[in-house]
Amino acid sequence: GENVEQHPSTLSVQEGDSAVIKCTYSDSASNYFPWYKQELGKGPQLIIDIRSNVGEKKDQRIAVTLNKTAKHFSLHITETQPEDSAVYFCAAWGSNYQLIWGAGTKLIIKP
Amino acid sequence: EAEVAQSPRYKITEKSQAVAFWCDPISGHATLYWYRQILGQGPELLVQFQDESVVDDSQLPKDRFSAERLKGVDSTLKIQPAELGDSAMYLCASIRSGTYNEQFFGPGTRLTVL
Repeated sequence: GENVEQHPSTLSVQEGDSAVIKCTYSDSASNYFPWYKQELGKGPQLIIDIRSNVGEKKDQRIAVTLNKTAKHFSLHITETQPEDSAVYFCAAWGSNYQLIWGAGTKLIIKP
Repeated sequence: EAEVAQSPRYKITEKSQAVAFWCDPISGHATLYWYRQILGQGPELLVQFQDESVVDDSQLPKDRFSAERLKGVDSTLKIQPAELGDSAMYLCASIRSGTYNEQFFGPGTRLTVL
């Protein structure tokens, strides 16, 4: 079936450094790839998304890249700050208007 | 800014009791999702509505879980009887239409079954 693999499960970086989270999806028909940030005790919030007709998208310190041939997409956060600490989920749009979710990455920003 | 509303935020119950969660999506959002999220894992889809109709409830444990969206607006998810393994965060999300649009999530209901 459709699935999304996400790595790493935990990522610890020094404040000010960059963080990269990678995902691989299985359904070649997927055309939409959102990234969600979830803080403790809260629902996920969309931070950036990319559609299949674009290879890269940036929003201030956050960027997402997509390689449709390899079925890979990645989240890049530059100049990390303490408030970036959270769990990040990648997802891919599957059939029936449903998202297929990755398992999540816990990002820890060390002061 | 419009938000998805959920209540209660926290619920503690004993096993074998009945519990119910409520969700009010953003106005105009026709598609509504209920997810279950176990700590440390990604959201797991339980049921998907399009207006008042169930689109997919294949992952809903129907022997104890039920969901409804009678007027195609707000929705209720019920568990009866609750089991220890049901302890989780229950999330509601909605989207404006059936195309590629952001899923907006509510704050969730944290259920603890004792």
